[in-house]
Amino acid sequence: GQNIDQPTEMTATEGAIVQINCTYQTSGFNGLFWYQQHAGEAPTFLSYNVLDGLEEKGRFSSFLSRSKGYSYLLLKELQMKDSASYLCAVEDNAGKSTFGDGTTLTVKP
Amino acid sequence: SQTIHQWPATLVQPVGSPLSLECTVEGTSNPNLYWYRQAAGRGLQLLFYSVGIGQISSEVPQNLSASRPQDRQFILSSKKLLLSDSGFYLCAWSADRGSEKLFFGSGTQLSVL
Repeated sequence: GQNIDQPTEMTATEGAIVQINCTYQTSGFNGLFWYQQHAGEAPTFLSYNVLDGLEEKGRFSSFLSRSKGYSYLLLKELQMKDSASYLCAVEDNAGKSTFGDGTTLTVKP
Repeated sequence: SQTIHQWPATLVQPVGSPLSLECTVEGTSNPNLYWYRQAAGRGLQLLFYSVGIGQISSEVPQNLSASRPQDRQFILSSKKLLLSDSGFYLCAWSADRGSEKLFFGSGTQLSVL
């Protein structure tokens, strides 16, 4: 099975940088996804990591260490619209994704 | 471009009543289809997934069922709803079961009273 841990809540200031961590224990690993979900809406895809290292995409970057079972999502130049829940999801060898409970990020002016 | 439609957006049902949520995908063929449920403040729990017409895999034993009568149609049903069935239901599709991101429908907020 999969066990995924993320902090429940985080707060950061507009313009700052925030790092959201995700640790996982899995019986099989095929890749790790990050999704963004605004309140009452559906999640939308942010990033996907399958190899160790950093994937950068604009203001968002995602890092993966498979040996440590660890990933983080880095958000730079925070904007108010970045206030949302961020979901870490681990894909197993069968192609099924298991989601963490999400981290609710609040960006303050 | 591909689109996914899910309805209704909100639903209030009494305990013991039936349920039918429908999801359709446009602009792609043979998508992999999924039903997730999200409790308040929690992550997504995979309920069912399908890799083809009539092929349904259940992840969590419960009083819900799913069907895929057509390639791009996925239906979530129940004969008798329980209070614990309340939640935010999301349909999703992916191009392939492996290493492909999920595209989600807009969700259905179900309240069982």
